Amino acid sequence: KAGVTQTPRYLIKTRGQQVTLSCSPISGHRSVSWYQQTPGQGLQFLFEYFSETQRNKGNFPGRFSGRQFSNSRSEMNVSTLELGDSALYLCASSLVGGGLTEAFFGQGTRLTVV
Amino acid sequence: AQSVTQPDIHITVSEGASLELRCNYSYGATPYLFWYVQSPGQGLQLLLKYFSGDTLVQGIKGFEAEFKRSQSSFNLRKPSVHWSDAAEYFCAVVSNNNAGNMLTFGGGTRLMVKP
Repeated sequence: KAGVTQTPRYLIKTRGQQVTLSCSPISGHRSVSWYQQTPGQGLQFLFEYFSETQRNKGNFPGRFSGRQFSNSRSEMNVSTLELGDSALYLCASSLVGGGLTEAFFGQGTRLTVV
Repeated sequence: AQSVTQPDIHITVSEGASLELRCNYSYGATPYLFWYVQSPGQGLQLLLKYFSGDTLVQGIKGFEAEFKRSQSSFNLRKPSVHWSDAAEYFCAVVSNNNAGNMLTFGGGTRLMVKP
């Protein structure tokens, strides 16, 4: 079956702009989680969506937001980009989420803010 | 809050040698533990997981890990390393931030394999 698809793979944005990243989970999976990966902070949890509802949120400012559609596809948005937002953004899909079922990760979107 | 520590940032082993990557967790109850591997430019792939039961867990690619409650450890092992095992390895635990569950990752261990 198809894996988790993240688009685009690479993005370059300017400070102050906004960006939207997309994640298509594995068919049948209802949970999508987002993580930010940076060399300094490692892998940090952003938020989780389950059945179109945000179920959990990490410790990130309100500039980071997301949503999930009825087909379980998810988008995350970062507004007013800062240089420190440069990172690899990973999404993970799982059947029920919360770490209780295996999480399958996409290849990530590499965001560079200049 | 639950946390995971991977004491070794870098490890270099020779091809064919055995490997042990360390992971220590902080959690009061029985933890749900995972090991993931990340190759350059790729996402994370699950190697193995521990939820309960047998404390020695077998995973993919010949990896295994042992859960030791007395030492709060979940170390990853492989008897004979192949050059293709060079990657970054992450230990993770299911943690709770009062809003719900999530995966909390260790800082990762980068494995280099010498020919």
